[in-house]
Amino acid sequence: ETGVTQTPRHLVMGMTNKKSLKCEQHLGHNAMYWYKQSAKKPLELMFVYNFKEQTENNSVPSRFSPECPNSSHLFLHLHTLQPEDSALYLCASSQGFPGQGSSGGYTFGSGTRLTVV
Amino acid sequence: GIQVEQSPPDLILQEGANSTLRCNFSDSVNNLQWFHQNPWGQLINLFYIPSGTKQNGRLSATTVATERYSLLYISSSQTTDSGVYFCAVLDYGQNFVFGPGTRLSVLP
Repeated sequence: ETGVTQTPRHLVMGMTNKKSLKCEQHLGHNAMYWYKQSAKKPLELMFVYNFKEQTENNSVPSRFSPECPNSSHLFLHLHTLQPEDSALYLCASSQGFPGQGSSGGYTFGSGTRLTVV
Repeated sequence: GIQVEQSPPDLILQEGANSTLRCNFSDSVNNLQWFHQNPWGQLINLFYIPSGTKQNGRLSATTVATERYSLLYISSSQTTDSGVYFCAVLDYGQNFVFGPGTRLSVLP
């Protein structure tokens, strides 16, 4: 158990479905992140939340909609996805932003492997 | 933005061998992290190492920020070391930028 829990572990969805990914951190961190990992590509930052406020949105299509109701929970709502959105979606958390006097870096969850059919 | 390169892209070792993985970055950074992604996709934080040298068991890491590189040493490799090793450096937006990774296969 890494302290960051993601559910579900695997998800298969059709292009017209709506689903949500969930991330929960038990570390008392105040920043949370969504990353996308596609085959043979570097991890791509999607969204950053600091104290529940979104501080970064890396030009992510609107079919991905994040929600951060509190500093321990982060959701990624999915709708009308495309097959190229199939990837491993990773959630991470940190205490503050790394580099701003925080004592460590990121802690990642196990990821949700998403397949869009 | 900051560019991160890792070498080699792929590495195959016999169990018990030692190896060195390298991470180069294009600009000054004040933070760097090494991760191991196991075959199940789990990303494990190995080192948070903005500068200097750290050791944890058979693994050690050295970052020379002024020369824009970091090295990860794996000694007496085991099959459980297999997976992809990523380095990530802090960009100007205070978010980590990941390198492309080194895929390590340790054979029994």
